[in-house]
Amino acid sequence: GENVEQHPSTLSVQEGDSAVIKCTYSDSASNYFPWYKQELGKGPQLIIDIRSNVGEKKDQRIAVTLNKTAKHFSLHITETQPEDSAVYFCAATSSGGGADGLTFGKGTHLIIQP
Amino acid sequence: GAVVSQHPSRVICKSGTSVKIECRSLDFQATTMFWYRQFPKKSLMLMATSNEGSKATYEQGVEKDKFLINHASLTLSTLTVTSAHPEDSSFYICSARLPRVRTDTQYFGPGTRLTVL
Repeated sequence: GENVEQHPSTLSVQEGDSAVIKCTYSDSASNYFPWYKQELGKGPQLIIDIRSNVGEKKDQRIAVTLNKTAKHFSLHITETQPEDSAVYFCAATSSGGGADGLTFGKGTHLIIQP
Repeated sequence: GAVVSQHPSRVICKSGTSVKIECRSLDFQATTMFWYRQFPKKSLMLMATSNEGSKATYEQGVEKDKFLINHASLTLSTLTVTSAHPEDSSFYICSARLPRVRTDTQYFGPGTRLTVL
């Protein structure tokens, strides 16, 4: 089955700086890679996703890059703000009509220092 | 985005009792829903895939007789924790997948905190 590794486990950055979280996956059949933000006591919120037919996707201050050859993908948050503080999870799955659940990384606790 | 609700948000029960958790897709029909479990400060672990009108598919190591899943309609899936024990205490989260369009995108509910005394 799929195995997703996520680093770092904790990331502290100054407000306004950029944050980068990295993930690797093991199953070359995986073709869908979402990122979720989870605040304490709440369910995960989808913030951005990427499919294996593209190498980069951007949505305002958030971007995701995918390297299929190396089997790794990264989340980039620019101009960080205090409300970006949360736990971020990467995930992977192979879609295509099947009903596959997501395999999650272990999460990164992002702390934005004012 | 699509909205998924869960009920209850929090439940405390005695050991040996059963607890039912509901997951609803509010503004779309979901042929497939998923149930995850999350321990404190840990990641989400897939428990089972719930398919409307058919039996759920359980992940390895998840007891299907203990975690009963019913997906009776296109907007509702239920998870029943039977004969709950303290080790079943956890955060249970469901997700739903949009049918046909972007079939791989999952939207999560707010979660249910289960505490077994």
